Amino acid sequence: QKEVEQDPGPLSVPEGAIVSLNCTYSNSAFQYFMWYRQYSRKGPELLMYTYSSGNKEDGRFTAQVDKSSKYISLFIRDSQPSDSATYLCAMTGGNEKLTFGTGTRLTIIP
Amino acid sequence: GAVVSQHPSRVICKSGTSVKIECRSLDFQATTMFWYRQFPKKSLMLMATSNEGSKATYEQGVEKDKFLINHASLTLSTLTVTSAHPEDSSFYICSARSGSKNIQYFGAGTRLSVL
Repeated sequence: QKEVEQDPGPLSVPEGAIVSLNCTYSNSAFQYFMWYRQYSRKGPELLMYTYSSGNKEDGRFTAQVDKSSKYISLFIRDSQPSDSATYLCAMTGGNEKLTFGTGTRLTIIP
Repeated sequence: GAVVSQHPSRVICKSGTSVKIECRSLDFQATTMFWYRQFPKKSLMLMATSNEGSKATYEQGVEKDKFLINHASLTLSTLTVTSAHPEDSSFYICSARSGSKNIQYFGAGTRLSVL
């Protein structure tokens, strides 16, 4: 079993729809949770950062962490074609190394 | 967010030559930087962790004599691919860790093609 599981997709949704991206993990030591967006042939860009459990909202993006279920989510509201990218979840327990999900390829259809 | 600059973005070289990639944190000091390799449609694979002023820590299976890492200052780390071969062709990405939040900020990546 991988430490972090993420549905690789691909996921295609119409413009304006709400997108839900998810990761599950097995290591209960993870405390820091991140979502990165990666466009083709570019480096990952930090979207959201959450420490421990809870919700965090930034514009059209909402990150949720449920440590009891070892489950994290990223919601994208009013999705735009520019949101088409690969989304990577990442997490760490504080030992500096990040553990990544495999990434979900998302396409927003105009 | 913090800015990490990586150069060059693209390099094509002949087999047997060495290539140096630079990673700079522009607006913060990074005691720790990381080097990753990414294959097409795959997630990031950590190659090594670089701490300022000390030797890099390499992941299992990564040849330290092949991939030389130097972290001479709090804002600069370099990766040198020595005697590059076609199998070294890949997308290399650096990141820098900011402060105590365990957040890594990534460079734009370097696409290396060895002919």
